[in-house]
Amino acid sequence: GQQVMQIPQYQHVQEGEDFTTYCNSSTTLSNIQWYKQRPGGHPVFLIQLVKSGEVKKQKRLTFQFGEAKKNSSLHITATQTTDVGTYFCAGRTTGGFKTIFGAGTRLFVKA
Amino acid sequence: DTAVSQTPKYLVTQMGNDKSIKCEQNLGHDTMYWYKQDSKKFLKIMFSYNNKELIINETVPNRFSPKSPDKAHLNLHINSLELGDSAVYFCASSQDWSSGGAGTQYFGPGTRLLVL
Repeated sequence: GQQVMQIPQYQHVQEGEDFTTYCNSSTTLSNIQWYKQRPGGHPVFLIQLVKSGEVKKQKRLTFQFGEAKKNSSLHITATQTTDVGTYFCAGRTTGGFKTIFGAGTRLFVKA
Repeated sequence: DTAVSQTPKYLVTQMGNDKSIKCEQNLGHDTMYWYKQDSKKFLKIMFSYNNKELIINETVPNRFSPKSPDKAHLNLHINSLELGDSAVYFCASSQDWSSGGAGTQYFGPGTRLLVL
């Protein structure tokens, strides 16, 4: 079946270091969304990418959607302790109702 | 003014019991979901309803039965609870593209279920 693979599963960084998480889909996606879940919280929508090759920025966060619309990345510049949490990508299948979540990348930031 | 609410927030129960979790959204969305998140944080979709109609039913044991009395509510009933059912269950809603929305999912706070 359709899958969205996300790596790495965990990432430990020192505060101030950069962080990147990657998502790859086995099939072309119509869009990809990114969510953040703080420890003990619920997933919260960050952004949606729709166009091939799209790049969007939110302060220190940069989101990219691949040219083939099969992969995406989230890059955080100069991490802060408030960035701690699990980041999920979620790809929407073309022509369907389904949004498939990646396994998530759990980010730990050491002060 | 919580957008997506779930009750209860915590649920501790014995194996073999039957329990229900309720979800309500006040966003006017057409689509609602149930997800199960295990201890490894995997978010696994269980069910999705669009305008009270079941549209996604993943491989979930028959002990789990969703019910949508109206498009603002999606409840989850679980029969004969097992140890492996212990997890956090999230309800979510979205307004999909077919009805002019972006498909962004809004999650409830979660129900932490512990089966002893």
